[in-house]
Amino acid sequence: SQQGEEDPQALSIQEGENATMNCSYKTSINNLQWYRQNSGRGLVHLILIRSNEREKHSGRLRVTLDTSKKSSSLLITASRAADTASYFCATETSYDKVIFGPGTSLSVIP
Amino acid sequence: NAGVTQTPKFRVLKTGQSMTLLCAQDMNHEYMYWYRQDPGMGLRLIHYSVGEGTTAKGEVPDGYNVSRLKKQNFLLGLESAAPSQTSVYFCASSPGQTPTNEKLFFGSGTQLSVL
Repeated sequence: SQQGEEDPQALSIQEGENATMNCSYKTSINNLQWYRQNSGRGLVHLILIRSNEREKHSGRLRVTLDTSKKSSSLLITASRAADTASYFCATETSYDKVIFGPGTSLSVIP
Repeated sequence: NAGVTQTPKFRVLKTGQSMTLLCAQDMNHEYMYWYRQDPGMGLRLIHYSVGEGTTAKGEVPDGYNVSRLKKQNFLLGLESAAPSQTSVYFCASSPGQTPTNEKLFFGSGTQLSVL
């Protein structure tokens, strides 16, 4: 079974709306990262939040981390068609492993 | 600055054949990773390395071997390819512990088909 699980698996919204994706994990972590993957391309790093941080912002992105619930959320505000992609959370566990979840597929409709 | 380069980009193998995928990074990163991506499964960690001469198993290491003889290169080998190894393979690198690992930089992937 995978360390991280994103929810929902797929999300479809209108341009301008906010998109929220959640990630749950099983074991203790050093940090949690979010990545974006456009169709057929490599992954691009979006944001990293360390285990001792609770919230982080980067442009239209807001990430929260609740280590007591072993969960994180990624909020994309004022979505654009260009935000259409798959989004993955990745957790760095002990022994420097970085484990990815199955991802959320986001479609932003113009 | 090329970043992370994977070769080849596409390959078709017959069952039982062997091949090596090469990952090269020019950022002087300590850590390197090999992942495979299958539909609906996200990325699964095959093997990784935290420095030259070191390797460690990930989530799905069976059927693969790796070597990190030089800091800039991380090789992934398939000794006897099986159809179940049909996938897209991604290599990634990161600076390493600073104090915790930093973001991963990804290559563009290798599409491997095993017939």
